[in-house]
Amino acid sequence: DAGVIQSPRHEVTEMGQEVTLRCKPISGHDYLFWYRQTMMRGLELLIYFNNNVPIDDSGMPEDRFSAKMPNASFSTLKIQPSEPRDSAVYFCASGHGGYNSPLHFGNGTRLTVT
Amino acid sequence: GQNIDQPTEMTATEGAIVQINCTYQTSGFNGLFWYQQHAGEAPTFLSYNVLDGLEEKGRFSSFLSRSKGYSYLLLKELQMKDSASYLCAVRILTGGGNKLTFGTGTQLKVEL
Repeated sequence: DAGVIQSPRHEVTEMGQEVTLRCKPISGHDYLFWYRQTMMRGLELLIYFNNNVPIDDSGMPEDRFSAKMPNASFSTLKIQPSEPRDSAVYFCASGHGGYNSPLHFGNGTRLTVT
Repeated sequence: GQNIDQPTEMTATEGAIVQINCTYQTSGFNGLFWYQQHAGEAPTFLSYNVLDGLEEKGRFSSFLSRSKGYSYLLLKELQMKDSASYLCAVRILTGGGNKLTFGTGTQLKVEL
């Protein structure tokens, strides 16, 4: 199993540009989570999906952020327009719905907005 | 809402034992996880508790008291490679499923 795959690993963009982060979850997992990590705020849950359906997006900072999961093997997190305060590491994680099932994290995308 | 508290930093000596505490306040509690995260890497799963008591996995053990909203991670025979951030995470049962909320992590430094 290749694990959770995220792309790109690093993204540097200018303020105002659109950024799209991509995630391929582990096959068979029915939950997918997007987190953002910064030194100040730690790991923050942005949104999560169950069976491709968005369940809770209360952590999405504002309308500039959107996430989709068109099928069980692909999800995107889009920021439009990007701002310097969006600079962070963005992690995607997937898991089963089982009571003791841990989340498996991708290697993250380090986003820098200048 | 949820509130998860952990110490920000801890230092311990190689070969020693260290206990990292986590307290939480939440509704819909459905389990507590501990993750390890080395600098520049993704978090990796260490342990899971849903019932009160101690779970042991090699050098690592985790304890949970649901009535007190308290957990700890115990690391024995510390090694230099154990220097990392340790994240406490609470799973919460919501209307649509389970979501996992993390504390801000405890940065452990293991010294000679």
